[in-house]
Amino acid sequence: DQQVKQNSPSLSVQEGRISILNCDYTNSMFDYFLWYKKYPAEGPTFLISISSIKDKNEDGRFTVFLNKSAKHLSLHIVPSQPGDSAVYFCAASGGTGANNLFFGTGTRLTVIP
Amino acid sequence: KAGVTQTPRYLIKTRGQQVTLSCSPISGHRSVSWYQQTPGQGLQFLFEYFSETQRNKGNFPGRFSGRQFSNSRSEMNVSTLELGDSALYLCASSFLPMGTDTQYFGPGTRLTVL
Repeated sequence: DQQVKQNSPSLSVQEGRISILNCDYTNSMFDYFLWYKKYPAEGPTFLISISSIKDKNEDGRFTVFLNKSAKHLSLHIVPSQPGDSAVYFCAASGGTGANNLFFGTGTRLTVIP
Repeated sequence: KAGVTQTPRYLIKTRGQQVTLSCSPISGHRSVSWYQQTPGQGLQFLFEYFSETQRNKGNFPGRFSGRQFSNSRSEMNVSTLELGDSALYLCASSFLPMGTDTQYFGPGTRLTVL
């Protein structure tokens, strides 16, 4: 059963515009969330994280929003650049005694120049 | 600081064979986790080793096993390979146990089972 879901397999955005990638989770015990970016032939690289005590975390062009009541998080990239084109994975962990990291299936972002 | 390295990068095996993949974590990292990535399933957790002990295990059959050495290097073994084992196998390392610290991934080993 997929505990972390990324329902959009792909997203295309014009350069300079905002990219919004979404992620839903089912386990209310998750308290730590991460986003990874993956280029072809490379392993995922850490992008940004957020803990459940916050609802927003910002790092440069990247902002992650967490809505605990909706069990939803999103990654905003502003402005989007062609180099942002990659597959983005969200991941979640937490819960008493549960240290596994659960990944979504990924969203392929294409930024069109 | 060198990143996570995985060897080999590509591997072709036939059904029924076994394979061993290697992962060298970032220096000082004690946690190594293994993941399987397939197009339909995304990233799925296999297991984590921390200070030579398996801490967590995902929902994979016993054909998948691993170990970690005193220098934190880890190996993953898959026995009696099946066609469905064809995937990208990623390892990730962190200083603290998985789930409490950011993981850094290696480039992966692409396994093809014929």
